Amino acid sequence: GAGVSQTPSNKVTEKGKYVELRCDPISGHTALYWYRQSLGQGPEFLIYFQGTGAADDSGLPNDRFFAVRPEGSVSTLKIQRTERGDSAVYLCASSPMGHTEAFFGQGTRLTVV
Amino acid sequence: AQSVTQPDIHITVSEGASLELRCNYSYGATPYLFWYVQSPGQGLQLLLKYFSGDTLVQGIKGFEAEFKRSQSSFNLRKPSVHWSDAAEYFCAVGARLTGGGNKLTFGTGTQLKVEL
Repeated sequence: GAGVSQTPSNKVTEKGKYVELRCDPISGHTALYWYRQSLGQGPEFLIYFQGTGAADDSGLPNDRFFAVRPEGSVSTLKIQRTERGDSAVYLCASSPMGHTEAFFGQGTRLTVV
Repeated sequence: AQSVTQPDIHITVSEGASLELRCNYSYGATPYLFWYVQSPGQGLQLLLKYFSGDTLVQGIKGFEAEFKRSQSSFNLRKPSVHWSDAAEYFCAVGARLTGGGNKLTFGTGTQLKVEL
């Protein structure tokens, strides 16, 4: 069985550009999470989806960040007008309905130059 | 708001020696507690979790952790470390979210080095 898949694994972009990061959760998992891990830090919560809707987006740092999950499976994290401070590893995790354990993908390393 | 403190940034142990990684948490209710391991270039892998019941929990790879409510601690232990255990270890506390999800708050991690 495949785990959580994140693409691309690495992304280098110029300051001010728009980027999209993709997460393909484990099949059948209804809950999906995005976390951001800056260098030397633990992951920080960004947003949580239950099905297609964002049930909690309290961790998104500002309105440049947006995420969607239109069909309740694949999710895309979108960052507009990227800044150097957005450089981090973006982690996606999923879990089955009612479960507290989250299964993490390997992350997308975003570098803004 | 919940928080997690991992006071040791780096720890070095000899292969075969015992290991204890410290974790202290702050949470208003009975916490869900987790230990994850992250190897270079890899995602986070769950080692073990505590929800309720027996305060000593067993995990994968020979790890165990003990929940001590009076000390707000959830320290990770292993009796004999293997070279392959070298990695970064994260303690996390979980809080229930609207809709049934679980928001994890992580500590800053402890980097474990194993000397042969």
